[in-house]
Amino acid sequence: AQKVTQAQTEISVVEKEDVTLDCVYETRDTTYYLFWYKQPPSGELVFLIRRNSFDEQNEISGRYSWNFQKSTSSFNFTITASQVVDSAVYFCALSEAFAGANSKLTFGKGITLSVRP
Amino acid sequence: EAQVTQNPRYLITVTGKKLTVTCSQNMNHEYMSWYRQDPGLGLRQIYYSMNVEVTDKGDVPEGYKVSRKEKRNFPLILESPSPNQTSLYFCASSLSQGQATNYGYTFGSGTRLTVV
Repeated sequence: AQKVTQAQTEISVVEKEDVTLDCVYETRDTTYYLFWYKQPPSGELVFLIRRNSFDEQNEISGRYSWNFQKSTSSFNFTITASQVVDSAVYFCALSEAFAGANSKLTFGKGITLSVRP
Repeated sequence: EAQVTQNPRYLITVTGKKLTVTCSQNMNHEYMSWYRQDPGLGLRQIYYSMNVEVTDKGDVPEGYKVSRKEKRNFPLILESPSPNQTSLYFCASSLSQGQATNYGYTFGSGTRLTVV
């Protein structure tokens, strides 16, 4: 069975601080996909990144960066120089590639990030 | 514009009154799924569909029904809603599943349901 753990439930930072959101996953598959989604106060789910299990390169997109480490089963997300608009709930999710008919997304419980001015 | 459209966005209903939340996608996706989001629990899968007339239960299917008569539509039906079904619901679609290539998921904007 697959599982995603986001141990941090709420994080509060002051604007311009860097913040890292942790994600640890469990899966028996060797081929799988990891995702991060942002849910702003308006409620929709905003896709941030998808990473497959064969690609361990870190990724940077503007102020966002992701650190994927298979050795520790972690896929952490860092926001550099945080801004108030980064305030949201962030979900990490896992999808197994060969789960038969249903490659569902297994979500963590989410991390509520508050960025104070 | 490629999208998943859910309706309604907000709904308040009474216990026992049947309701349907609609979901439609315009991307010719084969795979569609429903999730519910509850505080402290994240999102959990309710039902999914691999293609027309092919549906199956997810992790929390009790109290829900679905149908897939057309490829683009995947309605979620609550025959007799109860207060514990008060939640935020998301519909998602993807090109296909069960293959090595994961094409990613497109989510609808969500339906906030309150059952009183």
